[in-house]
Amino acid sequence: GAVVSQHPSWVICKSGTSVKIECRSLDFQATTMFWYRQFPKQSLMLMATSNEGSKATYEQGVEKDKFLINHASLTLSTLTVTSAHPEDSSFYICSARAPGLAGVETQYFGPGTRLLVL
Amino acid sequence: GENVEQHPSTLSVQEGDSAVIKCTYSDSASNYFPWYKQELGKRPQLIIDIRSNVGEKKDQRIAVTLNKTAKHFSLHITETQPEDSAVYFCAATSLGGFKTIFGAGTRLFVKA
Repeated sequence: GAVVSQHPSWVICKSGTSVKIECRSLDFQATTMFWYRQFPKQSLMLMATSNEGSKATYEQGVEKDKFLINHASLTLSTLTVTSAHPEDSSFYICSARAPGLAGVETQYFGPGTRLLVL
Repeated sequence: GENVEQHPSTLSVQEGDSAVIKCTYSDSASNYFPWYKQELGKRPQLIIDIRSNVGEKKDQRIAVTLNKTAKHFSLHITETQPEDSAVYFCAATSLGGFKTIFGAGTRLFVKA
């Protein structure tokens, strides 16, 4: 149980275009999902908390108009990087809480999406 | 703001030796402390966790200790194997799981 998928696994795009990343909980319902960004050899930096049916909560310094988050159902959250620039190139990972399995606080991570903006 | 400090950043051990990674946290409201293992290019995988009402937890070769008073928690890996080589992240969670802060990570190398 507690499987989280992400799509696509990698994407290359031109500067100025928008990229959408999907995060799905496959065998459980996730009222809360989290989006992280990870630079090479660095830790996981929380970007935003995605709540089903309501607006996402963004961390300080993260532009909500640039990183659009939609959590339209209990199994799907999407992150759209709008007008991407080379500095947005990174590894984006989502996670979902799976209450009832290991505990209400436990997060399970997706496989990540590697974004390269040329 | 809240933060989690993790040491060392890099750890190299011989196969069969023990490895210890230490973390400290600042938010006294933290009550859940998971440890994740991340292999290169892959997702972080939960390997063990501990709650604030427990001082120690063990799962085969892995153990975690928690000192709530000192706000310290540690990961202990015994009889290390080459496949233990990875980056390990500690984390501290509060607010019912809505706030998780990760440590900077420890890159563990186990030499055969």
